[in-house]
Amino acid sequence: AQKITQTQPGMFVQEKEAVTLDCTYDTSDQSYGLFWYKQPSSGEMIFLIYQGSYDEQNATEGRYSLNFQKARKSANLVISASQLGDSAMYFCAMRGLIQGAQKLVFGQGTRLTINP
Amino acid sequence: NAGVTQTPKFQVLKTGQSMTLQCAQDMNHEYMSWYRQDPGMGLRLIHYSVGAGITDQGEVPNGYNVSRSTTEDFPLRLLSAAPSQTSVYFCASSYRAGGSGTIYFGEGSWLTVV
Repeated sequence: AQKITQTQPGMFVQEKEAVTLDCTYDTSDQSYGLFWYKQPSSGEMIFLIYQGSYDEQNATEGRYSLNFQKARKSANLVISASQLGDSAMYFCAMRGLIQGAQKLVFGQGTRLTINP
Repeated sequence: NAGVTQTPKFQVLKTGQSMTLQCAQDMNHEYMSWYRQDPGMGLRLIHYSVGAGITDQGEVPNGYNVSRSTTEDFPLRLLSAAPSQTSVYFCASSYRAGGSGTIYFGEGSWLTVV
């Protein structure tokens, strides 16, 4: 069954340091997509970055990059030069064929706190 | 461009009452879905739709009903609210079900059932 695992319930990082948020996934499909979302305390879901299973290069969006290791089934989010505004919950999600239909499955999230 | 609009943002219900959470998108997206988020957890899929007239169950469908009479609207109905349905509800849409299309989320609806 498709599953997303985020093993870090919480992380504390000093401002300006880089941070890696872990995400592993389990799927038997060949075609799938991986997403990262940020959820600040206000509650909205903010799209950060996307990686397709057939993409050969790691996705990058500004300070965000996705370290995609297909053989290990991991899709870690790297935030370079962290800022106080990066403090939030971060969710890894996978879209793929689940029980005959395309669905989006979320991990339990990692709460990131950036210290000044 | 309004994106995905959810109403109401906050609602308190008594056990047994019914209500409808509204969701509308103006991007002509085929795929729409409803999620619930409980404290400390990720989002879980309640129901989804791949187009007007087509709906299906997600991971946690019990106690909820949906319909998709138009491309734009995808309301979620709670038939007889229970305290276990206290949660934050998110509506999401994308151009199509699969592929790299960005998934857009509404701002969330905070529901408390007492």
